Amino acid sequence: SAVISQKPSRDICQRGTSLTIQCQVDSQVTMMFWYRQQPGQSLTLIATANQGSEATYESGFVIDKFPISRPNLTFSTLTVSNMSPEDSSIYLCSGARASWNTEAFFGQGTRLTVV
Amino acid sequence: LAKTTQPISMDSYEGQEVNITCSHNNIATNDYITWYQQFPSQGPRFIIQGYKTKVTNEVASLFIPADRKSSTLSLPRVSLSDTAVYYCLVGDRGAGNMLTFGGGTRLMVKP
Repeated sequence: SAVISQKPSRDICQRGTSLTIQCQVDSQVTMMFWYRQQPGQSLTLIATANQGSEATYESGFVIDKFPISRPNLTFSTLTVSNMSPEDSSIYLCSGARASWNTEAFFGQGTRLTVV
Repeated sequence: LAKTTQPISMDSYEGQEVNITCSHNNIATNDYITWYQQFPSQGPRFIIQGYKTKVTNEVASLFIPADRKSSTLSLPRVSLSDTAVYYCLVGDRGAGNMLTFGGGTRLMVKP
């Protein structure tokens, strides 16, 4: 298994500002993903973070709003830009060792509140 | 991607066996079935994965009938700590696109 650490674990931010969430994996993973989860709801995939290239975004999510970096096989960041209260959610980072290995590992999540 | 349908919630008592069924009528030939468990304030955790028939590990069993249009996660002798949300996912294992979560089943284990 792999351990995924996310920072910050929670934050309260002013609308119009941006927050960058960091995701660190304790070992190399081929694939990394970012999810959003509203309390009591299921997870929604935001994007797949690709090393050395632009992330692949799911329908409804755009790079200008959720820029993602992935400089190496153990680290990724998600920025929530120009935040509004509707962005209040839990953001989860996930990793999988290979594209064919569907046992994904998840971080504890970042609980974001926008006021 | 094949869509999954699960019961929204289930109740059980400690020591009982719990079976959670997932319907995936449009499952494709290359699709695998994976189950995750999520506790409050934590990320999901992989439980089990299978393609057909039966798979068993130290945590659960997964039963998949021949037509693969459904699957059943079986949790033997549940305890209070098994109270969680259980997600059934279906997707092409090779494409890395398994990770589309459906609604999940909220299991409540009572003493």
